[in-house]
Amino acid sequence: DTGVSQNPRHKITKRGQNVTFRCDPISEHNRLYWYRQTLGQGPEFLTYFQNEAQLEKSRLLSDRFSAERPKGSFSTLEIQRTEQGDSAMYLCASSRTGPGDEQYFGPGTRLTVT
Amino acid sequence: GDSVTQMEGPVTLSEEAFLTINCTYTATGYPSLFWYVQYPGEGLQLLLKATKADDKGSNKGFEATYRKETTSFHLEKGSVQVSDSAVYFCALKAGGSYIPTFGRGTSLIVHP
Repeated sequence: DTGVSQNPRHKITKRGQNVTFRCDPISEHNRLYWYRQTLGQGPEFLTYFQNEAQLEKSRLLSDRFSAERPKGSFSTLEIQRTEQGDSAMYLCASSRTGPGDEQYFGPGTRLTVT
Repeated sequence: GDSVTQMEGPVTLSEEAFLTINCTYTATGYPSLFWYVQYPGEGLQLLLKATKADDKGSNKGFEATYRKETTSFHLEKGSVQVSDSAVYFCALKAGGSYIPTFGRGTSLIVHP
């Protein structure tokens, strides 16, 4: 068990550019979650997948955000036409199937939009 | 909607002091309650949980009791160490939900 990994760990981009983040979950976990965390706040849910199916999306996930998990393993989160308000830590977590199953979090990708 | 309120930080203590971090919640039904810890540069880790009223979650010397009558889940530790310095998040999950609602986090700084 190597844990949840995220890449890159840090990303600095200019306003208007597109960025893509990757999350590799724990191998036997079929649920994968994306959260956003801003300074001084707790994580806010964005979306989650069971296998390759995206089952729920938060209202926070604007049209500029898209997430995929094409083969039910790793996932990508893309932000198009980034805005300064997108600056945050983007966290990925994975879990087994049941609602009682613990979510294991990755270290996050810190995005800074200049 | 569901919400979690935590005491503001930072909480600054000397080593071996007693720790309390307050957490209260608002939820319909009977949520499960959690404390997560985030060490610098790392992801959140589940510290402890309680799934029904009067349950006590405990781990690594930390404890929290699910108090339905006061809608609280305060985190306590009898003797903190420098290595406990981190940000602590209280969270709840409504029954059957996969998605926790987090509080804003409380930073703990422990001095030698």
